[in-house]
Amino acid sequence: EAQVTQNPRYLITVTGKKLTVTCSQNMNHEYMSWYRQDPGLGLRQIYYSMNVEVTDKGDVPEGYKVSRKEKRNFPLILESPSPNQTSLYFCASSSSGQGFLGYTFGSGTRLTVV
Amino acid sequence: KQEVTQIPAALSVPEGENLVLNCSFTDSAIYNLQWFRQDPGKGLTSLLLIQSSQREQTSGRLNASLDKSSGRSTLYIAASQPGDSATYLCAVSGGGADGLTFGKGTHLIIQP
Repeated sequence: EAQVTQNPRYLITVTGKKLTVTCSQNMNHEYMSWYRQDPGLGLRQIYYSMNVEVTDKGDVPEGYKVSRKEKRNFPLILESPSPNQTSLYFCASSSSGQGFLGYTFGSGTRLTVV
Repeated sequence: KQEVTQIPAALSVPEGENLVLNCSFTDSAIYNLQWFRQDPGKGLTSLLLIQSSQREQTSGRLNASLDKSSGRSTLYIAASQPGDSATYLCAVSGGGADGLTFGKGTHLIIQP
């Protein structure tokens, strides 16, 4: 089944403790991105990657890092999480160019930073 | 900067009604528009994708239209059912690395 898989689904952590949220897709998509969803603010893009070793900032990149060492994986790294990063996070992927068929989203990771 | 607005923010209707959800965007230079459904605490499920060269797409009881020049899209749901209750999100893409710009959604409740 074609899908985007995020782990973990739920995470509670303490301020300052480094964490990684993993994202993997099995559709051979070139493009991958991370969004956060907050009440009243909607979904906002954090980082995106056009292909392996190519990443760039979205609208709200502060406090986050990403890497794209393999085409299928795009982990989101919070080096020193703070309470304002408590949110629902989504990973998405898509093909590019003429093969574009829309964006596929993962099931989300609910992160709480205390 | 692209802005996407969805009206209404919330809607409650009896089962069986046909309904229309509205989406407007400020920059008509879009690459495509995608409608999603989100159930509480869950991920986003893609409903319909409309490429910029298309006027509408249909899937079962759903029909989405796109008028790029006026910056509008509508999602038409025929013969609504309680299982249609969810938040519906409209998102546009400018192409390339832009990713998606989302509206804040329409929270839909279908009363049995």
